Parts: sequence; C-alpha cells; structure tokens
Amino acid sequence: RKEVEQDPGPFNVPEGATVAFNCTYSNSASQSFFWYRQDCRKEPKLLMSVYSSGNEDGRFTAQLNRASQYISLLIRDSKLSDSATYLCVVNTLMNTGFQKLVFGTGTRLLVSP
Amino acid sequence: SAVISQKPSRDICQRGTSLTIQCQVDSQVTMMFWYRQQPGQSLTLIATANQGSEATYESGFVIDKFPISRPNLTFSTLTVSNMSPEDSSIYLCSVERPGRGDEQFFGPGTRLTVL
Repeated sequence: RKEVEQDPGPFNVPEGATVAFNCTYSNSASQSFFWYRQDCRKEPKLLMSVYSSGNEDGRFTAQLNRASQYISLLIRDSKLSDSATYLCVVNTLMNTGFQKLVFGTGTRLLVSP
Repeated sequence: SAVISQKPSRDICQRGTSLTIQCQVDSQVTMMFWYRQQPGQSLTLIATANQGSEATYESGFVIDKFPISRPNLTFSTLTVSNMSPEDSSIYLCSVERPGRGDEQFFGPGTRLTVL
C-alpha cells in the first residue's frame, strides 16, 4: 500500500464548479499535512497546510480527519487558472530525527470554459 | 520564502556519463533535500543534506550513485553517476521554510534525459 494515495483523475469541471479531492495516508505517526500545486513542467508549490480543525484560504478549504487518516481539498468557483495537478503531502518524523515529506501521485484538475 | 535556483535547468546526456546538478539558495538554511520525479510519477526523496555532515539517503538510493555535497549553508550539489535511461527524470532540490521546518520550498528542477 502506498503511503499517500490519491485519485489521479483527471477531474474535468466547468468554470464556476465546485470540486473536491481526497487523499488517504497510511502512517499514523504523520504530523503535518499539506496540499501542493504543480503546474505542467514546473516545480510543486505549497498551496496550503491542513489543520485538524479545517482551514480555508479564499476559495480553497482543506480538512483533516486523523482518525480516518484522510485529507480533503475543496475548490469552490473553479477558475481556468486552477487547472493543475494537486499533490497531497504528508510530513512524518522519522526514527533518525529528520522529518520527511511523502508525496501522493497527484490529482489532475482540468477546468474548462 | 527562499529563492532557489538550480543549474542546469535541463540536459541531455549519454549513457555511462555523470551529471552534477547545483542548487543555490538566497539565504542560509540548515537542511536541503534532493528529490526525483520520474515521468508521470510523484516526487520521491533521494536524500537529506545537512551542512557539515554526510547526506542521509532514503531506501533505494546510494551514495555511489547519487553523491551529494553540501559545502556551506546556501549551496548543494547532486551528482547522478554512471547514468542510464532509467535516470531520466526531473531532479529537484528543496529547503525548509524558516520557522516552519515541516514546510518545504522547491527549486525549479533539472530535467535530465539520458540517451
């Protein structure tokens, strides 16, 4: 089983739609959770951290369910510029004392006019 | 956030040769990380580079194949040695966000094609 699992998509939605992505992780010792965005042929960029209480940043809402080891990202009022791959990322403290980011394979979103 | 640059941005190399990728940060950072993103795949951590000590490699990656240098707090190199077509990938370096050690920022990546 992969450490971080996501539906690869693609999710094809029209402008203005609401779309939700889900992610599950296997390591219960994971401490921090993030959504990164990666545009084609570009590096990943941090979109938002995910907190247990849930958090919102404009049109984006992220939620975490530690009991179910489940993370979600909701995008409201989709824009053409939201088209990208969304990476679910989990940070785990290793036995070495180092922290390690583990990336999901990403969910591709295509927003059409 | 830190500004990270990588050189080269892309390269096409022959089988059996080696390529050294440079990563430069505009501020001093303790930890630097090297990742690989193979075609159609997500990012996989190769190693963590701490200034003044040997890099720590992830399972499946060895120092002979991916030697890393970390001579100071703003610079690191990753060498891909004795390359084969399977090494064709994007190689990215990253650093931790100051004050938020669990968040990372990435360089623009080096796109490597091995023929």
